[in-house]
This record gives sequence, C-alpha cells and structure tokens, in this order.
Amino acid sequence: QQQVKQSPQSLIVQKGGIPIINCAYENTAFDYFPWYQQFPGKGPALLIAIRPDVSEKKEGRFTISFNKSAKQFSLHIMDSQPGDSATYFCATQGGSEKLVFGKGTKLTVNP
Amino acid sequence: NAGVMQNPRHLVRRRGQEARLRCSPMKGHSHVYWYRQLPEEGLKFMVYLQKENIIDESGMPKERFSAEFPKEGPSILRIQQVVRGDSAAYFCASSHGVEEKLFFGSGTQLSVL
Repeated sequence: QQQVKQSPQSLIVQKGGIPIINCAYENTAFDYFPWYQQFPGKGPALLIAIRPDVSEKKEGRFTISFNKSAKQFSLHIMDSQPGDSATYFCATQGGSEKLVFGKGTKLTVNP
Repeated sequence: NAGVMQNPRHLVRRRGQEARLRCSPMKGHSHVYWYRQLPEEGLKFMVYLQKENIIDESGMPKERFSAEFPKEGPSILRIQQVVRGDSAAYFCASSHGVEEKLFFGSGTQLSVL
C-alpha cells in the first residue's frame, strides 16, 4: 500500500522556470515531511523539511507548501538552474516510524 | 567527519551466490536503516537497526535476507542465494537518534547475473 503519492513522474523546465512537485499522504499521524534530492550514482540528500505547524517553509530557492486539511505538500524551486536537474523524493514520517518515500520525480532543467 | 560509507559500490553475483553489503554509519550515529531502490520505484524501507538490535524489519523479505548491526563494526545486509530480482541499488542511512535527520550513503549497486 503506497502511503505517499508523488507527481509528476518526470518534469522538464527551462532555466529560470519554477518546477512544482506534489505529494499526497494518507496517514494523519505523519508529522514530518522532508524532501530529498538525488543525483545519479549518489544517495539521497535532505533538501528541506517541514512540520505541520506551519504552512510554508523557504530555504534559498526551495520552498515547501503544506496543506494539512488536504493532506498535501509540494516543493517549488525558484529560478531553477541546470544544476538542479536530479530526482526529487518526498517522504513522510510519524513519531518513531521509518521514513516512507514517494516514487520520485525526475527533474530536467534545460539551459 | 566522513559520511555514511557503503561498500562495495558495485557488486556482481551469479544466481545462487551470497551478497554481503556493508554500511559504516556516520561517527556518533547508532541508528541504521537499509533501503532498496529499483528504477522508477523510489526507495523502499527494508530494516531499521540499532546497535545489536533489529528494531523494525517489516520491509525485509521473509527468506534469504538478513541484517545485523554488531556492537563493533559495520552494519551488514546479507542476501543468500541471490536471484535476478534482487538486482537493485541498496542504500544505507544513519541517524543520531529516532526522529533525527537521516544521512544516506552512496549505495551499493547489486547486479545478479
């Protein structure tokens, strides 16, 4: 049973565009929502994370928007660059439970 | 401070052989997680260990797979009698404690011929 649904599967934008990746979850007990960035041949690295007590969090060009009532959260990348081309995973976690990942979004930023 | 170290980076095995994947967590981390990644499938949780204890193995196949994290030395993920379907990237992650940030290694790519 997939607990986190991520979309789209792939995304292509031009440099300077604002790609948006969406995730929806089912379990209301989740209270930690991170996004991971993975480059080919590398392990995932934590990019940014949010807890449900806020609706938005910004770190540099990366923003998480969180909608608790809809059980959805999204990643926005401002002024995207070719170096942002990677696979992005959303994840969820509740309490001491393990991280559950979405299936990933392959982002390509064209120069 | 070295990150999470996994070895080997690439492992080739023939069907029926054993695969042993090693993970040394970050210094000071006592929590280790193993994930499997298939193309287009994201990361699937396998097992969560603390020193000498398996905390959650709900993602581990019931047969052929085992994991350990001894008091001394790296965590080991062991796959006996490998089959082609075991071919995947296996990632280890560590954390300082529960609900702490996870740091991932670069993974071991297992190929079963």
